[in-house]
Amino acid sequence: KNEVEQSPQNLTAQEGEFITINCSYSVGISALHWLQQHPGGGIVSLFMLSSGKKKHGRLIATINIQEKHSSLHITASHPRDSAVYICAVSRGSNYKLTFGKGTLLTVNP
Amino acid sequence: SQTIHQWPATLVQPVGSPLSLECTVEGTSNPNLYWYRQAAGRGLQLLFYSVGIGQISSEVPQNLSASRPQDRQFILSSKKLLLSDSGFYLCALIRGGTDTQYFGPGTRLTVL
Repeated sequence: KNEVEQSPQNLTAQEGEFITINCSYSVGISALHWLQQHPGGGIVSLFMLSSGKKKHGRLIATINIQEKHSSLHITASHPRDSAVYICAVSRGSNYKLTFGKGTLLTVNP
Repeated sequence: SQTIHQWPATLVQPVGSPLSLECTVEGTSNPNLYWYRQAAGRGLQLLFYSVGIGQISSEVPQNLSASRPQDRQFILSSKKLLLSDSGFYLCALIRGGTDTQYFGPGTRLTVL
């Protein structure tokens, strides 16, 4: 069993829909990261959180430490949100990341 | 702000040939540096990380090696490439005092 599990693996939505991507992990962590990988391969860090909730524009990330679960929400989705969203956890002082396999999101106009 | 350069952007190499991928960093000093690989159909995997010049930790046994000859330079090498070395290689950094990783643009390696 992978240490970081994401669901769904693929997600197709219509423009404007509310989207949720889930991440569960099985180890103790110092922080959880949500990353966005564009079709060309570049990766951008969206959020890093160790408790509670963070919001940036239309993106919201939440984490429940007791349940070892995090969600990434996108409100009013847009075709430009189409990308692979990756959940990762960091542990220890060297901040090494362990990654989920990613969720491919396609938002259709 | 920091900038990560990776060279080359794409590379096609025959099996058994050597490899050298370069990552250089601007805008920060003494960062932690990381090499990740994303193989086709698989998630990202940490290969090596470095907390300082000459300090390399390997995460996965393989035919790759890494070196950090300067504070802002991180090199991934192989003496003989395997087909399984094909993938997308990403260099990343963490600045001191933070936990956010910044990723370079990546190198797409195809071994034929």
